[in-house]
Amino acid sequence: EADIYQTPRYLVIGTGKKITLECSQTMGHDKMYWYQQDPGMELHLIHYSYGVNSTEKGDLSSESTVSRIRTEHFPLTLESARPSHTSQYLCASSGGWRRDRNTGELFFGEGSRLTVL
Amino acid sequence: QKEVEQNSGPLSVPEGAIASLNCTYSDRGSQSFFWYRQYSGKSPELIMFIYSNGDKEDGRFTAQLNKASQYVSLLIRDSQPSDSATYLCALMDSSYKLIFGSGTRLLVRP
Repeated sequence: EADIYQTPRYLVIGTGKKITLECSQTMGHDKMYWYQQDPGMELHLIHYSYGVNSTEKGDLSSESTVSRIRTEHFPLTLESARPSHTSQYLCASSGGWRRDRNTGELFFGEGSRLTVL
Repeated sequence: QKEVEQNSGPLSVPEGAIASLNCTYSDRGSQSFFWYRQYSGKSPELIMFIYSNGDKEDGRFTAQLNKASQYVSLLIRDSQPSDSATYLCALMDSSYKLIFGSGTRLLVRP
């Protein structure tokens, strides 16, 4: 059973507001990821982290920012939300990968569905 | 060219049939491959991973990998209506990032 939690699950907010999507995992995983997914569309990696104080931008350009001050916590922030930010945001974590035993499985949170009016 | 290519479907099969889902990838250096299942409105969940050429079986699921042809497939035997979902093929790149395909929607008809 995966122990990764996202809040809020649903958020409706007006244009220009600052929002933070929270993601926490209790598995001690070093690697954490944020994906963006529109309904019926593919997952796009927007941010990832390999450990504390490590953050990288993903393949899809995003105006959001992330931080990794603690291993278990990987919040995503939008300073000024716009309607184009409306989407589902999925957080995931991984314990890493070893050739003898694949531990590269990503565990996903339940997602945060953001609607910006 | 996308790194991971899948036919979007829908792939429709009758209950009890074998469903065959296919995926091609462009990076010959990719070593690890994953199949995730995503129900509508839910998060993806891992079904299988494979990193050696050949077949890997787990219950009703068989993953097949052919690195020479850059091809990964997932076979679902005795398909059930509960298998109806979107199936995502993914590979792990050299930076330990998981790159997903756009997914194939499977519909199992009762």
